[in-house]
Amino acid sequence: KNEVEQSPQNLTAQEGEFITINCSYSVGISALHWLQQHPGGGIVSLFMLSSGKKKHGRLIATINIQEKHSSLHITASHPRDSAVYICAATNTGNQFYFGTGTSLTVIP
Amino acid sequence: DTEVTQTPKHLVMGMTNKKSLKCEQHMGHRAMYWYKQKAKKPPELMFVYSYEKLSINESVPSRFSPECPNSSLLNLHLHALQPEDSALYLCASSPRLAGSYEQYFGPGTRLTVT
Repeated sequence: KNEVEQSPQNLTAQEGEFITINCSYSVGISALHWLQQHPGGGIVSLFMLSSGKKKHGRLIATINIQEKHSSLHITASHPRDSAVYICAATNTGNQFYFGTGTSLTVIP
Repeated sequence: DTEVTQTPKHLVMGMTNKKSLKCEQHMGHRAMYWYKQKAKKPPELMFVYSYEKLSINESVPSRFSPECPNSSLLNLHLHALQPEDSALYLCASSPRLAGSYEQYFGPGTRLTVT
């Protein structure tokens, strides 16, 4: 069983829709990361959080430590948001436990 | 400079070749990582260097040989690879190994072994 589970695996949305991607983890963590990977490879760190909620533009990330659950929300989705979103949990050694990723396609 | 650079972008090599992948960062980060990523899968950790010393080796075959010549550079030497080693190889860095830090990823080297 993977220490970090993500859902859904694939997601297709119409432009403008509100999107939620979920992440559950079973390991003890020091932080939870949300990463974005566009076709072609490069990974960009979107958020690192250990409690509460963070917002950057149209992206919001939340974490519930007691329930070991995090969500990534995208408001007013746009085709340029199409990418793979990866949840990763880190322990105190900063080793990443990656989720399997959510492939998001936003249709104009 | 908040960038991790990797060269080459693409590499095609035969099973008898020897080649090297290079990763560079100038952010003063003292932890550097090599990951292997197959299509539609998350990255898999291969090696971690902390203060230029190998800290983690995730049971990677010896045909992959990492090297950290200084705090800014990380190399991955490849020899006698197999076709199943074809993948995207990602380098990343973070300020330290211990604690909670973001990892900064390079664009990757797409390796094809023929």
